Amino acid sequence: GAGVSQSPSNKVTEKGKDVELRCDPISGHTALYWYRQSLGQGLEFLIYFQGNSAPDKSGLPSDRFSAERTGGSVSTLTIQRTQQEDSAVYLCASSLQGLAGRMTQYFGPGTRLLVL
Amino acid sequence: SQQGEEDPQALSIQEGENATMNCSYKTSINNLQWYRQNSGRGLVHLILIRSNEREKHSGRLRVTLDTSKKSSSLLITASRAADTASYFCATETSGGTSYGKLTFGQGTILTVHP
Repeated sequence: GAGVSQSPSNKVTEKGKDVELRCDPISGHTALYWYRQSLGQGLEFLIYFQGNSAPDKSGLPSDRFSAERTGGSVSTLTIQRTQQEDSAVYLCASSLQGLAGRMTQYFGPGTRLLVL
Repeated sequence: SQQGEEDPQALSIQEGENATMNCSYKTSINNLQWYRQNSGRGLVHLILIRSNEREKHSGRLRVTLDTSKKSSSLLITASRAADTASYFCATETSGGTSYGKLTFGQGTILTVHP
């Protein structure tokens, strides 16, 4: 079956512009996660959605970052007024459930964002 | 600081040799997972070991977990050039509201020379 998909694959934008990154999770997966990976670094947790519960936004680095998940499926990560330090690969993952964990997360290929 | 710290940061070996990567963490965990990443893109799940397990095998992979030392190791036996990738450990912290949130280490870059 289809895995997690993300779009666009690559995005180049100018400083100050807004960008939207999209994630289509695996069908039936109730949990969805966004991570950020800067060059040569590990993954930084950004936000987590689980079903209809309030999202865990504890990893969002600033109020310029927001995310929503419509209909419990597709998610959009929005970065407003982009800065050069926002340049990174943004990875989305989904799993069957998040609460009390122990579930494998399946990752998308990521969106490589470059802010000039 | 990162929950998981891995060593070595980089490992270079010849095909056929074994590769061992280590991961240390700070808090109590529900489980520890190892992921592989090629070319800085998506991660692929390799193996999950629960906090009440000490060792787990999957093909050429062997993972150990020592909760008293808060450490784990990933052993890849009989390495192949295709094993060249970055390897990350990730921990799911226990206690409080467990959302399945994973905290990743910085990773080990493994290069296997043909």
